[in-house]
Amino acid sequence: DQQVKQNSPSLSVQEGRISILNCDYTNSMFDYFLWYKKYPAEGPTFLISISSIKDKNEDGRFTVFLNKSAKHLSLHIVPSQPGDSAVYFCAASDTDDGNKLVFGAGTILRVKS
Amino acid sequence: NAGVTQTPKFQVLKTGQSMTLQCAQDMNHEYMSWYRQDPGMGLRLIHYSVGAGITDQGEVPNGYNVSRSTTEDFPLRLLSAAPSQTSVYFCASSYSWGPGQVRYEQYFGPGTRLTVT
Repeated sequence: DQQVKQNSPSLSVQEGRISILNCDYTNSMFDYFLWYKKYPAEGPTFLISISSIKDKNEDGRFTVFLNKSAKHLSLHIVPSQPGDSAVYFCAASDTDDGNKLVFGAGTILRVKS
Repeated sequence: NAGVTQTPKFQVLKTGQSMTLQCAQDMNHEYMSWYRQDPGMGLRLIHYSVGAGITDQGEVPNGYNVSRSTTEDFPLRLLSAAPSQTSVYFCASSYSWGPGQVRYEQYFGPGTRLTVT
């Protein structure tokens, strides 16, 4: 049973528009959430994170929103650029072991120019 | 800093063969881990280590062995390869978390693509 779910396998967005990637989780013990970006033939790279004590974290063009009551988080990319085309993984860790990450299946983002 | 390095990049094995996937990091990270990535499954934790001499099982440990004799190295051994172990394997490292401490992001290596026939 997947504890972290990314229900959209892919998303296509026009350059300059907003990309919104969604993630849902089931484990109420999760208290830290991360987004990783992965290009083909490379390892995932850290993008942005959020603690459960916050509902928003912003870093340049990237903003993560957390809705604890809905067990839902989203990553907003504004404006989207062709170089943002990659697979995006949502991950979570819980209060018992902050080292261990549980990943979603990933969403392929394509930004068209 | 080389970061996290993995060798080999590609490997083809026959069923029943054994091999070791190498992982090294030069960031003095205490925590190291191995994941496998399969289509539609995301990354799943195989084994992890919070320091030299300490290892533990993750979500999918069967068929794999690890050891951690130094801070820098964390090899993953496939004891008797099976087609179900065909996957892309990623090693990751980070500073180790403890209760009440801040969280650290994990740094990933470039991956090893393994095919078992």
